[in-house]
Amino acid sequence: AQSVSQHNHHVILSEAASLELGCNYSYGGTVNLFWYVQYPGQHLQLLLKYFSGDPLVKGIKGFEAEFIKSKFSFNLRKPSVQWSDTAEYFCAVNIYNQGGKLIFGQGTELSVKP
Amino acid sequence: GAGVSQTPSNKVTEKGKYVELRCDPISGHTALYWYRQSLGQGPEFLIYFQGTGAADDSGLPNDRFFAVRPEGSVSTLKIQRTERGDSAVYLCASSQKLASSYNEQFFGPGTRLTVL
Repeated sequence: AQSVSQHNHHVILSEAASLELGCNYSYGGTVNLFWYVQYPGQHLQLLLKYFSGDPLVKGIKGFEAEFIKSKFSFNLRKPSVQWSDTAEYFCAVNIYNQGGKLIFGQGTELSVKP
Repeated sequence: GAGVSQTPSNKVTEKGKYVELRCDPISGHTALYWYRQSLGQGPEFLIYFQGTGAADDSGLPNDRFFAVRPEGSVSTLKIQRTERGDSAVYLCASSQKLASSYNEQFFGPGTRLTVL
């Protein structure tokens, strides 16, 4: 079965530090890739998505992610985090032409210290 | 422009009881998804609807779980003979178009189900 793996369960950073959250998936075919964020007390929100084209995608709030097909990875990055980035981050995969269901990773909790 | 709404926000029930969880999608969204999120885990797909029909119910864990969407809008997730292991946050999401994996899913706030 297809799966998504997020390497870190909890990451603690100071403000202005750089962030990279790892995500790997297990599926050899075409996929659509997503990062969702859940701020404390709020709904899941889409941060960014990759469908095709430039493997470096930019999302909201200064986040970006790079799709590396050969590594089955879609890592999330931000050059300088802020306290307001404290949230839980989920990587998700959609298998092309298999409907819209998302397969999520287990999530990474990010805590940013002011 | 309201988002996806789910009721109730919290549900506490006893083992063996029947529960219904409701989802109101964004108006005009034809696809509706149910996910379940256990503590410390990411959301896990349960079922999705295109219009009134269940297009994929492969994520339903067993026959105690059932979902309907009779008029192509509101959906109800039904759980019979609840077990303690059913305790989780049940998330609903909707998206705009039929049969496409390219459309953003908008998530509701979830229903936290606790089975005692």
